[in-house]
Amino acid sequence: KAGVTQTPRYLIKTRGQQVTLSCSPISGHRSVSWYQQTPGQGLQFLFEYFSETQRNKGNFPGRFSGRQFSNSRSEMNVSTLELGDSALYLCASSSATSYNEQFFGPGTRLTVL
Amino acid sequence: KQEVTQIPAALSVPEGENLVLNCSFTDSAIYNLQWFRQDPGKGLTSLLLIQSSQREQTSGRLNASLDKSSGRSTLYIAASQPGDSATYLCAVTQVSNYQLIWGAGTKLIIKP
Repeated sequence: KAGVTQTPRYLIKTRGQQVTLSCSPISGHRSVSWYQQTPGQGLQFLFEYFSETQRNKGNFPGRFSGRQFSNSRSEMNVSTLELGDSALYLCASSSATSYNEQFFGPGTRLTVL
Repeated sequence: KQEVTQIPAALSVPEGENLVLNCSFTDSAIYNLQWFRQDPGKGLTSLLLIQSSQREQTSGRLNASLDKSSGRSTLYIAASQPGDSATYLCAVTQVSNYQLIWGAGTKLIIKP
């Protein structure tokens, strides 16, 4: 069974631009969660999608948004990028709920210049 | 507000030693606690998941315990190997909002 995949793996953007990251969950998994990881703040929960609906949301500004498609693939969008958005963005999938075991992708390393 | 703390922040031990990593949390209203491993620049690998009703879980050389009432979990690694070198993170799933709250991790180095 293929694992969680994320594209692209690396991304360099400049301040003010926007970016879209993609996550394909493990086949059969319907829950996708997104996390931001930085050296200063550690891992922080962004949001969770289940069956195309946002089911849970962390404390991030509205510049961070996401969506999920009918095939459970998910995208995360960040608009008006700031230097502080530089981070490793991780997505995780689970079979039904966010408190089932989560399986993580390799992450997308975003650098904002 | 749930806070998860991992001690120590870093640990370096010779190969072959048994070791214990610690994780504590402030709010016992959790669904489960998970231990993950992260290699530099990589994603996270789930090691063990302990449901709130369980006391421990084992996988190979790893054993994780959970004492929900005292807000503590330990990850025991037996007969450590250089390949065990990584950052180990624990996370709890809150009952209030199903969110995972993470510790800052313990960076483990196993010296050959």
